[in-house]
Amino acid sequence: GESVGLHLPTLSVQEGDNSIINCAYSNSASDYFIWYKQESGKGPQFIIDIRSNMDKRQGQRVTVLLNKTVKHLSLQIAATQPGDSAVYFCAETTWANNLFFGTGTRLTVIP
Amino acid sequence: DGGITQSPKYLFRKEGQNVTLSCEQNLNHDAMYWYRQDPGQGLRLIYYSQIVNDFQKGDIAEGYSVSREKKESFPLTVTSAQKNPTAFYLCASTPTGGTYEQYFGPGTRLTVT
Repeated sequence: GESVGLHLPTLSVQEGDNSIINCAYSNSASDYFIWYKQESGKGPQFIIDIRSNMDKRQGQRVTVLLNKTVKHLSLQIAATQPGDSAVYFCAETTWANNLFFGTGTRLTVIP
Repeated sequence: DGGITQSPKYLFRKEGQNVTLSCEQNLNHDAMYWYRQDPGQGLRLIYYSQIVNDFQKGDIAEGYSVSREKKESFPLTVTSAQKNPTAFYLCASTPTGGTYEQYFGPGTRLTVT
């Protein structure tokens, strides 16, 4: 089966700095990727998604980069705020398949 | 408010008892999912349902059962056969039509002692 994993389980950044969270995937057939944010004791919230025909997508303060050559995607958060502290998951899927989630990276923003 | 509701938020049971977790959505989504999350781990798929009266096992279905009698409801029963039932359970739903984004409920934390 597919494996989706993150390079670092924890990440600490100063408030106002940019954050970069990385994710590796192993299924080259995956064509859709999502980043979720999960705050403590809550369900995951959608942040941004990207399809395999794109290599970059931007949202509000967030950018997702997809490198299909090395099967890697990253989530960049600009001007990180205390409210960004959470666990971030990447998820992948192929057509008609279910989502496969990584183990998550805990982002801590230091005021 | 449209969304997914799970109840209760915290649930305590004695070992050997079956327990049913509720999941309701008013988003008119066709597909619904149940995940289990353990500390420091990602989400693991228990069961999913693409349409009413139909459901499939996920990666860790043993010890669990579901039903999908109504489009808006997808209850999960944790049976006494589940060896390690204590976990955080998340329900999700998604519309059909080519979108894969799953919308999650707030979760139920089940503790079995």
